[in-house]
Amino acid sequence: AQSVSQHNHHVILSEAASLELGCNYSYGGTVNLFWYVQYPGQHLQLLLKYFSGDPLVKGIKGFEAEFIKSKFSFNLRKPSVQWSDTAEYFCAVNSWMDSSYKLIFGSGTRLLVRP
Amino acid sequence: GAGVSQTPSNKVTEKGKYVELRCDPISGHTALYWYRQSLGQGPEFLIYFQGTGAADDSGLPNDRFFAVRPEGSVSTLKIQRTERGDSAVYLCASSSPDRSTDTQYFGPGTRLTVL
Repeated sequence: AQSVSQHNHHVILSEAASLELGCNYSYGGTVNLFWYVQYPGQHLQLLLKYFSGDPLVKGIKGFEAEFIKSKFSFNLRKPSVQWSDTAEYFCAVNSWMDSSYKLIFGSGTRLLVRP
Repeated sequence: GAGVSQTPSNKVTEKGKYVELRCDPISGHTALYWYRQSLGQGPEFLIYFQGTGAADDSGLPNDRFFAVRPEGSVSTLKIQRTERGDSAVYLCASSSPDRSTDTQYFGPGTRLTVL
């Protein structure tokens, strides 16, 4: 069965620290990969996505993610976090093999950035 | 433009009652998805509509759950004989017809509490 694993459930960082959130997926075939973010009191919004091409994807607010096909990974990174990055982050995958393109989500990582 | 809207934002009901949750997708989006997010988990797929038809309902947990989209726009998720385990945030998302490359845009969700 398709699945997405996020290794860190809670992460606490100080401002200006570097961030890396892990995401591994189990899904046969070609996949599309996403990171969504949910800020406190807000709805899920797209941070970045990968469909094809350059495996290093840049998103909003200075975030980037690298697709490593051999490792089935799509880790999220940011060189220097800000207090406003405090949020919950979800990795998700869908596939061209599934005509509905439904998203399979990981369980999320809660990031707390201390000022 | 307007995003995905969901009503009500909160719904409290008693065990055994019937509830309806409404989703109004982004104008022009033919694909509509329902997900359910339980505490501490990522969203889980329930059902997908392409136009008026339910193209994939493989995520509905049992026959107490049903969804409609009669005119290809607004959708209603219906839950009969609610149980305490149905308590969760129900999310709706929509995307354009080219769902192979488009983003799913999420609404704010309906928080359902079954007492």
